[in-house]
Amino acid sequence: QVQLVQSGAEVKKPGASVKISCKTSGYIFTDYYMDWVRLAPGQGLEWMGVINPNTGGANNAEKFLGRVTLTSDTSTSTVYMDLSSLTSEDTAIYYCARNGDANYVDYHYFDSWGQGTPVTVSS
Amino acid sequence: YDLIQAPAVSVSPGQTARISCSGDGLAKQFAYWYQVKPGQAPVLVIYKDDERPSGIPQRFSGSTSGTTVTLTITEAQAEDEADYYCQIADGSGTSVTFGGGTRLTVL
Repeated sequence: QVQLVQSGAEVKKPGASVKISCKTSGYIFTDYYMDWVRLAPGQGLEWMGVINPNTGGANNAEKFLGRVTLTSDTSTSTVYMDLSSLTSEDTAIYYCARNGDANYVDYHYFDSWGQGTPVTVSS
Repeated sequence: YDLIQAPAVSVSPGQTARISCSGDGLAKQFAYWYQVKPGQAPVLVIYKDDERPSGIPQRFSGSTSGTTVTLTITEAQAEDEADYYCQIADGSGTSVTFGGGTRLTVL
């Protein structure tokens, strides 16, 4: 079965960066795009960006341009999300989420999610 | 695209819960619904407006009318208490929007 296993909780100081991993199994890694979504306390789900695990090509939400870097490693079937210049507003649970259809342009949604990685930004 | 959801809906057990999501983009793109419970990862409950993933109970259904989509939970149960989010994409693969979420209370 499809499994997305994320790295553990992080505590960072303002201005620092955090890199979260999402190791996949149970399907062909390069067949499905992977997205990142976060859920901040008292807020709603927020889309951050999407990566083509095969080519490494990525699109980020406008809000995160210049701060988010998405990468993939086909040798380990793992995707990564690097978020820089952290502020307290980045305190959230971060999820990787697999696109539910190989045709992610016409059907861009998420059928499998990682367990979430809590990130706390505090001085 | 912006998606608008009511912040909260409350029903008694066994009643039907209806959670709506409105936005101009819904007239052109499919809608998707997720259930989010505290401490758990989101779960897809409806995709492509009205399709139900395997493993999702039949009491969950989706419908669409113009610029509004609705998630209906027939005979809601206590375990259905959660936040529900609608979601849409831009059709080019470069952007995804979530609604603000609706907290469903079943009591």
